[in-house]
Amino acid sequence: EDQVTQSPEALRLQEGESSSLNCSYTVSGLRGLFWYRQDPGKGPEFLFTLYSAGEEKEKERLKATLTKKESFLHITAPKPEDSATYLCAVRWGTGFQKLVFGTGTRLLVSP
Amino acid sequence: NAGVTQTPKFRILKIGQSMTLQCAQDMNHNYMYWYRQDPGMGLKLIYYSVGAGITDKGEVPNGYNVSRSTTEDFPLRLELAAPSQTSVYFCASSTSGINTGELFFGEGSRLTVL
Repeated sequence: EDQVTQSPEALRLQEGESSSLNCSYTVSGLRGLFWYRQDPGKGPEFLFTLYSAGEEKEKERLKATLTKKESFLHITAPKPEDSATYLCAVRWGTGFQKLVFGTGTRLLVSP
Repeated sequence: NAGVTQTPKFRILKIGQSMTLQCAQDMNHNYMYWYRQDPGMGLKLIYYSVGAGITDKGEVPNGYNVSRSTTEDFPLRLELAAPSQTSVYFCASSTSGINTGELFFGEGSRLTVL
């Protein structure tokens, strides 16, 4: 079964129109939730790490939050350069260097 | 500082051919990873390495092999290419592994097997 689900699959915003992306997970014993940005034809770029419910991280127009079931990536007053695919990934368990990635949300911000 | 460099960027293979995807990093990272990314699917871990001389299988290792003779290089070998190996392959490196999730990815190698 899917352990990490991202929604929506795609999102179109006008410049300045704030919104949120969702990453829900079903794993138990979460040891970290991570957000990445991926531009077309490029590799993912690390954005944030969240470890426990209630934790928040911010970077420019992006803020990531975490609950016991999901994480949100809030985008405030987005600009066209924020257009990208945003991926989340979770780690659980010990030992094995494995992240489970979601399929991403494609964000398009129009001027 | 180049980061993670992957070659080639694009390659077309015939079924049954073999090839090696090259990955090099100049950040002195111990941890290195190979992922594949298919349309509509999340990134899947193929192999990883926690240091020179140490490699281990990820989720989808069948049809692939790796070696890690130096800290800098982590090549991925495809033996007897199959259409199911058509994908975009990403190499990544990290100082602390997935503890922080801070992986540095290359730009990818797009492989088509016909």
